[in-house]
Amino acid sequence: ETTLTQSPAFMSATPGDKVNISCKASQDIDDDMNWYQQKPGEAPIFIIQEATTLVPGIPPRFSGSGYGTDFTLTINNIESEDAAYYFCLQHDNFPYTFGQGTKLEIK
Amino acid sequence: EVQLVESGGGLVQPGGSLRLSCAASGFTFSSYRMNWVRQAPGKGLEWVSYISGSGSSAVHYADSVKGRFTISRDNAKNALYLQMNSLRGEDTAVYYCARDTGLGVDYWGQGTLVTVSS
Repeated sequence: ETTLTQSPAFMSATPGDKVNISCKASQDIDDDMNWYQQKPGEAPIFIIQEATTLVPGIPPRFSGSGYGTDFTLTINNIESEDAAYYFCLQHDNFPYTFGQGTKLEIK
Repeated sequence: EVQLVESGGGLVQPGGSLRLSCAASGFTFSSYRMNWVRQAPGKGLEWVSYISGSGSSAVHYADSVKGRFTISRDNAKNALYLQMNSLRGEDTAVYYCARDTGLGVDYWGQGTLVTVSS
């Protein structure tokens, strides 16, 4: 089973900031990493596929990087609407596994 | 527009059974693999089960539910199911239906809450 270690668990940012969220896999998963955003009471939204590809319709201030075991979600020029829970998912092998999630607060 | 609508959640006693359903619309259901994913209160997400588009070529389960849960689908009805037996307190969670492109999950439903308690 591939364990995903996501950090930080919580972060606070000011509008206009740049933030990075990390997800480290316990084994090589190529680029089989997706990122999601979830707001309270809502279904998760798909934001990054295959580690680096922005999902159509997602603002370009979101980006993803990484390959193998180390992955990063970056949000540039943070906006208040970006306050949410963010999580990573590896789909390289079964069982699919998730990072523990990051709660992003906007001051 | 892709829509996934779960139903069937509720309160059930330990050892009991429940069947979740997911109604899919806005896409060719049989062309997509599907998953169930759950989130316990205050916890992270846990993948539960996967089924291939045909329903017959591949199914997978998390070890935590293997032997107790059964995933199935009816492509004629555009429906996904999760039969949950021998339910335990640790199965208490919001259960999400999630579409899989073969490159992981893209769309999620809103979820249905399952509470296992006496």
